[in-house]
Amino acid sequence: DGGITQSPKYLFRKEGQNVTLSCEQNLNHDAMYWYRQDPGQGLRLIYYSQIVNDFQKGDIAEGYSVSREKKESFPLTVTSAQKNPTAFYLCASRTTGTETQYFGPGTRLLVL
Amino acid sequence: AQSVTQPDIHITVSEGASLELRCNYSYGATPYLFWYVQSPGQGLQLLLKYFSGDTLVQGIKGFEAEFKRSQSSFNLRKPSVHWSDAAEYFCAVGAPNRDDKIIFGKGTRLHILP
Repeated sequence: DGGITQSPKYLFRKEGQNVTLSCEQNLNHDAMYWYRQDPGQGLRLIYYSQIVNDFQKGDIAEGYSVSREKKESFPLTVTSAQKNPTAFYLCASRTTGTETQYFGPGTRLLVL
Repeated sequence: AQSVTQPDIHITVSEGASLELRCNYSYGATPYLFWYVQSPGQGLQLLLKYFSGDTLVQGIKGFEAEFKRSQSSFNLRKPSVHWSDAAEYFCAVGAPNRDDKIIFGKGTRLHILP
């Protein structure tokens, strides 16, 4: 089956801890995205990558970091600098030539 | 820069009734337009999209949307809703040939009365 997988489904972070959310796609898509979703806020773009080894900040990049070492993978690290990390995190991907983004099932991050 | 507004935070309709969810966008030219649906705790699923051509777009699950340039709108419709349509619906807008980001509205939560 082709698709986008995110793991884990739930993640708990202790204060001062960095945590990494996984996003993998086997759709051979070039571009990948990370969004944060809070109730009533819609989706806000954190980071995106159009090609391997390159990525750009979105609207709310502070306190987050990413890497894009492989086309299939775009992990997101929530650092200790992110003071309000509790949210639902969504990963998406898109292939060149189409503007349509396809989404993974999401990871819910909670703070202990 | 483009923006999108979904004026209704919550909508309640009876099962079997018709549905229209509103979406207004701001962009200087013809944008790319999307509707996505999200069930609780799940990712977003694409319902339909408009890039160009016929302004009435058919999507999955019996949904359709109409692009009206004069009103800067892209409203989502369904003639008869089912209890399984209860979810949150997001309108999104993209800028052709500008960058590959799309902007999402804040969503409309649809409730279905039995």
